[in-house]
Amino acid sequence: DQQVKQNSPSLSVQEGRISILNCDYTNSMFDYFLWYKKYPAEGPTFLISISSIKDKNEDGRFTVFLNKSAKHLSLHIVPSQPGDSAVYFCAASVRGGSNYKLTFGKGTLLTVNP
Amino acid sequence: EPEVTQTPSHQVTQMGQEVILRCVPISNHLYFYWYRQILGQKVEFLVSFYNNEISEKSEIFDDQFSVERPDGSNFTLKIRSTKLEDSAMYFCASSDSRAKETQYFGPGTRLLVL
Repeated sequence: DQQVKQNSPSLSVQEGRISILNCDYTNSMFDYFLWYKKYPAEGPTFLISISSIKDKNEDGRFTVFLNKSAKHLSLHIVPSQPGDSAVYFCAASVRGGSNYKLTFGKGTLLTVNP
Repeated sequence: EPEVTQTPSHQVTQMGQEVILRCVPISNHLYFYWYRQILGQKVEFLVSFYNNEISEKSEIFDDQFSVERPDGSNFTLKIRSTKLEDSAMYFCASSDSRAKETQYFGPGTRLLVL
């Protein structure tokens, strides 16, 4: 089941530069998308989200872009900092019943080099 | 800042034994979830719970699994007879009624079945 795909297992960038993390999805019913950050031995931490009615959402250094026609979203981090080094998960949800269960991608390991 | 807590952080058990994983969701949240992540794989949805009943469960969540909200604060996942393949990181998450799709995760319980 590959409804949410993160095709880059890893990404390395220099401190101060932009990090761009990509995510593709196949299920047209997804109507909400989230990015989570995860450090080893910790749970996923919510970063930023976007509804399918928008194409951009910004929060500080983090911006998420959604291209519905391409079923693609991306997370931009600028400027990147060494503390941003973590695994980033893209997740998507479909409203069903009384919940918004999340479908996750496999994650991308971001390394920000000082 | 309110957070989801989980106990124990680690549990080692023998195959066939029962385990109970405990979670305390964020206090004003009404939607509760369990996910798991087998080493090297995606975070997978197990079950969602709302209004004292299961609202959705995945194929993984078979008769060996059950969830309960025994009081106003705890949310538990029970595995009746553990199998080797149940070894994974188990994450509890919760969300509130205003933003159901934004789920906040606990730090996880690492379960090892021998």
